[in-house]
Amino acid sequence: QQPVQSPQAVILREGEDAVINCSSSKALYSVHWYRQKHGEAPVFLMILLKGGEQKGHEKISASFNEKKQQSSLYLTASQLSYSGTYFCGTEDNFNKFYFGSGTKLNVKP
Amino acid sequence: DTGVSQDPRHKITKRGQNVTFRCDPISEHNRLYWYRQTLGQGPEFLTYFQNEAQLEKSRLLSDRFSAERPKGSFSTLEIQRTEQGDSAMYLCASSAAGTVLYNEQFFGPGTRLTVL
Repeated sequence: QQPVQSPQAVILREGEDAVINCSSSKALYSVHWYRQKHGEAPVFLMILLKGGEQKGHEKISASFNEKKQQSSLYLTASQLSYSGTYFCGTEDNFNKFYFGSGTKLNVKP
Repeated sequence: DTGVSQDPRHKITKRGQNVTFRCDPISEHNRLYWYRQTLGQGPEFLTYFQNEAQLEKSRLLSDRFSAERPKGSFSTLEIQRTEQGDSAMYLCASSAAGTVLYNEQFFGPGTRLTVL
């Protein structure tokens, strides 16, 4: 039931782009994306609801393919502040939440 | 509004002891979640409340774990007869279900539990 994230880790140079994928074996009501920096709590980035929406947040956007039960997070022109661990969270129709194991992003100067 | 708060931030206990954690959600948030996070893993869902009603519990929540949310405000998570495997960060999150940003969860700073 835990969504699967890929890749597990990414190393980027400032200004480069990255894509993080999240897939679930269960039907999804929504997909959430969070970023967690070391020693801190996860911080909400965006939510995508059923309907294949694509949302944006500064230079971070995401898509949700309900039929494939997949979501992707797109980070463009990465900045040093983007470093952290990104989690997708999936919500089923019973409001139970499952987080992926995370993708560690390291943006270097 | 100061966000979600948790108390204590750190707890060290001996195996077999009982511990209780408190979470104060953002005021007027009707949903409250408890998660457990171990190093290198994502948060694991434990349970959640809609107002004062506990609606879902994970299989991870053994009979040693109990959570309450009296009056739909703050919540407590109690672990009885702690085991070393209970050592983890316990995160609380709250959300305002039914709003435009449906179920955006705001996390507290967590309580780090170490069982010796």
